[in-house]
Amino acid sequence: SQQGEEDPQALSIQEGENATMNCSYKTSINNLQWYRQNSGRGLVHLILIRSNEREKHSGRLRVTLDTSKKSSSLLITASRAADTASYFCATDQHNYGQNFVFGPGTRLSVLP
Amino acid sequence: DAGVTQSPTHLIKTRGQHVTLRCSPISGHKSVSWYQQVLGQGPQFIFQYYEKEERGRGNFPDRFSARQFPNYSSELNVNALLLGDSALYLCASSQTGLAGTQYFGPGTRLLVL
Repeated sequence: SQQGEEDPQALSIQEGENATMNCSYKTSINNLQWYRQNSGRGLVHLILIRSNEREKHSGRLRVTLDTSKKSSSLLITASRAADTASYFCATDQHNYGQNFVFGPGTRLSVLP
Repeated sequence: DAGVTQSPTHLIKTRGQHVTLRCSPISGHKSVSWYQQVLGQGPQFIFQYYEKEERGRGNFPDRFSARQFPNYSSELNVNALLLGDSALYLCASSQTGLAGTQYFGPGTRLLVL
């Protein structure tokens, strides 16, 4: 079953606006990571938040983690056209050995 | 430092054939993991190797196998290719395994006809 799921599936905003994407997961985790992917190529790591952290910042990115609700959010402030990409959350899990689970992603379009 | 490299970049095969994909991790990284990404979906975990030992396996059939070499590079092998194996295959390396940041290569796009 799908462990990580992003919401919304697609998001279209104007340059300068903020973009918020949400991620939910189903099992206990050690950490949660967010990645960006441009045009179906390799993924770029954005930020890692550990299970004992509640909020983390990196530049224009803000990530929150609520382990009681098994959810995370990624906020991109003052968006730019270059932020147009697919964004994925991923969690490391320890069911029957190690596993790394991605959600289906949010496709963000930032319009100039 | 060079990032994660993968070869080939593109590949076309026919059903029933075998394919080998290669990955070189970032220097100093001992963990390599493999993912399959079908168009429009998130990557699906296939394998993880750390110090040449398999540490994790996703829900993929036995047609999929992998190994890691003493220099920490890795190969992913897929036998008896099916049309549904057409996808982007991504490799990632890490210093600390799946609990740490995964650094991804550009991927190998496989098309099975």
